[in-house]
Amino acid sequence: DVKVTQSSRYLVKRTGEKVFLECVQDMDHENMFWYRQDPGLGLRLIYFSYDVKMKEKGDIPEGYSVSREKKERFSLILESASTNQTSMYLCASSLSGGPSDTQYFGPGTRLTVL
Amino acid sequence: RKEVEQDPGPFNVPEGATVAFNCTYSNSASQSFFWYRQDCRKEPKLLMSVYSSGNEDGRFTAQLNRASQYISLLIRDSKLSDSATYLCVVFSGNTGKLIFGQGTTLQVKP
Repeated sequence: DVKVTQSSRYLVKRTGEKVFLECVQDMDHENMFWYRQDPGLGLRLIYFSYDVKMKEKGDIPEGYSVSREKKERFSLILESASTNQTSMYLCASSLSGGPSDTQYFGPGTRLTVL
Repeated sequence: RKEVEQDPGPFNVPEGATVAFNCTYSNSASQSFFWYRQDCRKEPKLLMSVYSSGNEDGRFTAQLNRASQYISLLIRDSKLSDSATYLCVVFSGNTGKLIFGQGTTLQVKP
């Protein structure tokens, strides 16, 4: 069974703080993704990675960066948190990123920026 | 216009009812189609893929109409445990990414 874990379920930070969200998958998947989910907007892709040290911008990369130093770990970084980054953040992984691939999600981190 | 559109609902139905959700997509280059289920305060999980010929998994039937660019999910004999948000998901051949609809919420009442 695929397991994707995220470092925190709930996080509260102050405006301007640097925030790290960690994601780890245990199935040797090539691809990893970071989404945010907001009411009425659905899931939106922030960044994804198809290999170690590789990253690609998603639909809403502004204000975020990522790091993938090891295959199993994909980190999302908010360089200077702002209140409009209050959201649910979901990490996902998939085997190869092909059209029939299933994405497996972590439990999510609900981030509140005050 | 959103690439994948769903009626957000909520759909409130009694146990045992049959309920259907539709979803439309705008990109004719879309290659693959899925329904994911998301329980309240939980992560999305794959419910089923959607094939061109239509497919069934127990009480769930998914259909695809490429000409009209819509996907449907039919749930028969609804159970209380079917209460969740159902996400329509499309794999974009242009970008190689999954595009998620905002979800349709189903509430099954006793």
